[in-house]
Formats: sequence, structure tokens, C-alpha cells
Amino acid sequence: QKEVEQDPGPLSVPEGAIVSLNCTYSNSAFQYFMWYRQYSRKGPELLMYTYSSGNKEDGRFTAQVDKSSKYISLFIRDSQPSDSATYLCAMSVGNAGKSTFGDGTTLTVKP
Amino acid sequence: DVKVTQSSRYLVKRTGEKVFLECVQDMDHENMFWYRQDPGLGLRLIYFSYDVKMKEKGDIPEGYSVSREKKERFSLILESASTNQTSMYLCASSLTSGTSSTDTQYFGPGTRLTVL
Repeated sequence: QKEVEQDPGPLSVPEGAIVSLNCTYSNSAFQYFMWYRQYSRKGPELLMYTYSSGNKEDGRFTAQVDKSSKYISLFIRDSQPSDSATYLCAMSVGNAGKSTFGDGTTLTVKP
Repeated sequence: DVKVTQSSRYLVKRTGEKVFLECVQDMDHENMFWYRQDPGLGLRLIYFSYDVKMKEKGDIPEGYSVSREKKERFSLILESASTNQTSMYLCASSLTSGTSSTDTQYFGPGTRLTVL
């Protein structure tokens, strides 16, 4: 069983929809939780970063961490065609520079 | 802004060739990583390095080696390329600051390697 499991997708939504992307994990030592966005033929770029449990909001994006359930989510409000990309969750213990990544969920937002 | 650059965007090599993939970061990061990314398999860690001349195996090191002679540069070497090494190769770097680290990684644009 993988340490990090990500909803596989693909996901296709109409423009303006609310999108929910989710990951579960098994290692209770994870403290740092990241979401990366990867456009086609590009490297991943950091979108959101959260330490421990709680919510973090940045514009249309909200990252949510529930350590008791070992579950993290990324919500995208008012989704736009430019949000079409693959989203990768990642998490780390925080003392070794090494992260564990989910396999990614590909999102398409249709105009 | 952190910048991670990779020497080539696209590379075509023949089976048995020795292949060098170069990665340079300009933010004085201690940690550097090499991944390969394949459809359905996600990002898989090949090797990583915490410091100059230090390296550690990741999840799939077989068939690869690395070199880190300078802090800003991390090279991935395919000693004898094989067709199953056709993939997208991604380099990343991250900062370790004191006793804590966010472990957020900054990625290069990737090198799409085809081995014929």
C-alpha cells in the first residue's frame, strides 16, 4: 500500500464549478502538506503549503488538512479553464528535505 | 524567485549510450533531487543529495548514478541507456533552514528523454 493515495481522476468540470481534490496518507509523522500544479509538459510548481492541521486560503484556492483522519484536500472555487492541469499532493516529515508525492489528479475545466 | 534549470528539454539517445542530465539551481539550496515521471506511476525518486558530494538512493536508483561536485549543480547519469529509461526527468531543490524545513521543492522544467 502506498504511503500517499490520491484520488486518481481524471476530473472534468464546467467553468465556475467548485473542485475538490483529495489525498489520504498513512504516515502519522507527516507535518508539512503541499499541493503542486503541473501544466502539460512543464515541471510541477508549488501552489499551496500548510503546516499541521487546519485551513489555508489563497485567492480561489483553499488547502485543508485533517491530521486526525490523515486526509488533505484542495478546493478550487470559481474554477477557470486556466486551472486545467495535473494536481499533485505531497507531504513530508519536515527534517530531511524529502517529500512523498501522490500520483496526481488531472483536472480539465471546460469553458 | 527560485530558478531551477535543466540542460535539455528534449533528448534522444540510443541504447547503450552514456547520458548526462544536468540541473542547476540559483538559490543556494542544500537539497537536490532527481525524479522520473511516467503515466500511471507518478513521480518516483531516483536519487537525492543533502550536500556537496553527498548522495542517497531514492526509490528507483538502479541504472542511474549522480554527481554533486558543487552546491548548485546536480547531475544524473545513465551509464548505459536502455529503452525502459525513456521518461520525463525532473530535477528539484529545497532549502533546509536550521532545525526546521518546509521541504517545499522547486522543480525544473523537465527533460523528456527518449531512448531508441
